[in-house]
Amino acid sequence: GQQVMQIPQYQHVQEGEDFTTYCNSSTTLSNIQWYKQRPGGHPVFLIQLVKSGEVKKQKRLTFQFGEAKKNSSLHITATQTTDVGTYFCAGYSDSGAGSYQLTFGKGTKLSVIP
Amino acid sequence: NAGVMQNPRHLVRRRGQEARLRCSPMKGHSHVYWYRQLPEEGLKFMVYLQKENIIDESGMPKERFSAEFPKEGPSILRIQQVVRGDSAAYFCASSLQGPQGKWNGYTFGSGTRLTVV
Repeated sequence: GQQVMQIPQYQHVQEGEDFTTYCNSSTTLSNIQWYKQRPGGHPVFLIQLVKSGEVKKQKRLTFQFGEAKKNSSLHITATQTTDVGTYFCAGYSDSGAGSYQLTFGKGTKLSVIP
Repeated sequence: NAGVMQNPRHLVRRRGQEARLRCSPMKGHSHVYWYRQLPEEGLKFMVYLQKENIIDESGMPKERFSAEFPKEGPSILRIQQVVRGDSAAYFCASSLQGPQGKWNGYTFGSGTRLTVV
């Protein structure tokens, strides 16, 4: 079945440093979504990428979708303590078994040291 | 608040009891999804439902677990004869369109933390 892998699993950064998390799918994706989950909270939708090579920005966050639509990245510039949480990518493939499933990666847990 | 409502927030059950988790989707959303999350893990898909229909239950264990989304009322995830391994956070999400429509992402509820003692 479809697998979505995310690295790194944990990342500790000093406040003000940059942070990047990477996501790779075993299959070509129709779209990829990113979510943020604060400690003890629930996942909150951040963004969706659909087109090959797409780049979207939200303030200090930059999201990219690979040309082959099998990988994606999230980059945060100049991290702040409010960025703390786990960032998940989730991919959807509209073919094959499990075609109704949005498959989540295991997430990257970001800690920011003030 | 028109968000996804889940209750209870916390549920403690003894081994062998039944657990019923409820989810009311966001207003106007007819697509409901249940996910399970273990500590330090990602979200595992369990089931996708529309009103009165189970569309995809491939992620749900074949025994003891069932889900429904009746014409009236919330979606229910039911776990019979719970075991310690069922302890997890169970999240419900809803969306305006299904997976094969144009997506705007899932709206998640606050989850139900199930503890089996």
